Amino acid sequence: AQSVAQPEDQVNVAEGNPLTVKCTYSVSGNPYLFWYVQYPNRGLQFLLKYITGDNLVKGSYGFEAEFNKSQTSFHLKKPSALVSDSALYFCAVRDGTNAGKSTFGDGTTLTVKP
Amino acid sequence: GAVVSQHPSWVICKSGTSVKIECRSLDFQATTMFWYRQFPKQSLMLMATSNEGSKATYEQGVEKDKFLINHASLTLSTLTVTSAHPEDSSFYICSAARSQWGTEAFFGQGTRLTVV
Repeated sequence: AQSVAQPEDQVNVAEGNPLTVKCTYSVSGNPYLFWYVQYPNRGLQFLLKYITGDNLVKGSYGFEAEFNKSQTSFHLKKPSALVSDSALYFCAVRDGTNAGKSTFGDGTTLTVKP
Repeated sequence: GAVVSQHPSWVICKSGTSVKIECRSLDFQATTMFWYRQFPKQSLMLMATSNEGSKATYEQGVEKDKFLINHASLTLSTLTVTSAHPEDSSFYICSAARSQWGTEAFFGQGTRLTVV
């Protein structure tokens, strides 16, 4: 079985400060890892993914994430937060050795204050 | 590229009626489509996985006779909520992948269903 944990329900940062949204995962095979953002009453927008290669993955809107195999983590980061980054963020994992579904974390609400 | 469109964006229906939600991949062929349900301030719960031309695979606890899924073409999957009740009110999201083995699935914008 695969699982994802987002330990923080809420993250608050001031505009211009760096932000981190945490994610840890568990999967038996090779992890495919994803970050999505969701705005109110909207679907999910893809931010970035890790499949293989460099552990540091750069994505949309200045976001990046670092894959850490030993810690089974895939934290989302941004050097300088914007108020418009305020949204709900989901981490997801898939077992890359098998076809099929992704498992999503419970989500983290990011609030960036001006 | 890789645009997925859901229709309608929101719908209100009376208890006992059925509602159909469409999920279309606009610029690619989607062998596999996923249907999720999301309650307010909660994560996405996978309801079912459908592969074009075959029966959907439902997750445990999801009533297949209540949530009918059809994936008759490579660009269209439909979810029909039959005999809807207020507890079926939720946000329904689809995603589409080029194949089961694809590394990425693309999400629709979601459908807000309210049953009154």
